[in-house]
Amino acid sequence: DQQVKQNSPSLSVQEGRISILNCDYTNSMFDYFLWYKKYPAEGPTFLISISSIKDKNEDGRFTVFLNKSAKHLSLHIVPSQPGDSAVYFCAASPTYGGSNYKLTFGKGTLLTVNP
Amino acid sequence: DSGVTQTPKHLITATGQRVTLRCSPRSGDLSVYWYQQSLDQGLQFLIQYYNGEERAKGNILERFSAQQFPDLHSELNLSSLELGDSALYFCASGPGTSGGNTDTQYFGPGTRLTVL
Repeated sequence: DQQVKQNSPSLSVQEGRISILNCDYTNSMFDYFLWYKKYPAEGPTFLISISSIKDKNEDGRFTVFLNKSAKHLSLHIVPSQPGDSAVYFCAASPTYGGSNYKLTFGKGTLLTVNP
Repeated sequence: DSGVTQTPKHLITATGQRVTLRCSPRSGDLSVYWYQQSLDQGLQFLIQYYNGEERAKGNILERFSAQQFPDLHSELNLSSLELGDSALYFCASGPGTSGGNTDTQYFGPGTRLTVL
């Protein structure tokens, strides 16, 4: 049972346009969400996160939106650059209390930004 | 560079063997997490240690075990290896702040295990 779903395995956009990557989750206990970017032969790199008390978080060209009622989050990249081409993973974590922060990952979306 | 180091980068071994993967967390991080990434399963959480103690367990097989040492580095031991254990194994670390839910995890480059 996949608790975090990224339904688009791939996305292709033109340089300078907006990239929108989507993620859905089913576990209502999740209240912290992260996006990671992964290049081939490297580990995932943290990009941006959002807590369930917010509905938007911005960091430069990256914005994450959270719709708790729909159990949906999205990552917007504006403007997209060829260097953004990578696999993007959505991840979620519940708060267990203490220091337990197990992440559940989606299967990833391969973003290709064409020059 | 995330500051998390993993050794070795690549490991090739035979079925039935035992291997040890090593992880050094970022300076100051108390939590270490292990993940397995196989082709069809994506990134799966295996186990978490916080300041030397096991804190959470995921889909970790009984043939696998881990520990975190006093200097906070961690080892993942995989025994009685099977072909299906071939995967990328990632270690991540985070501050492991007690309370709250903002422990961002920083990943190492991974160890690619091939079981022949």
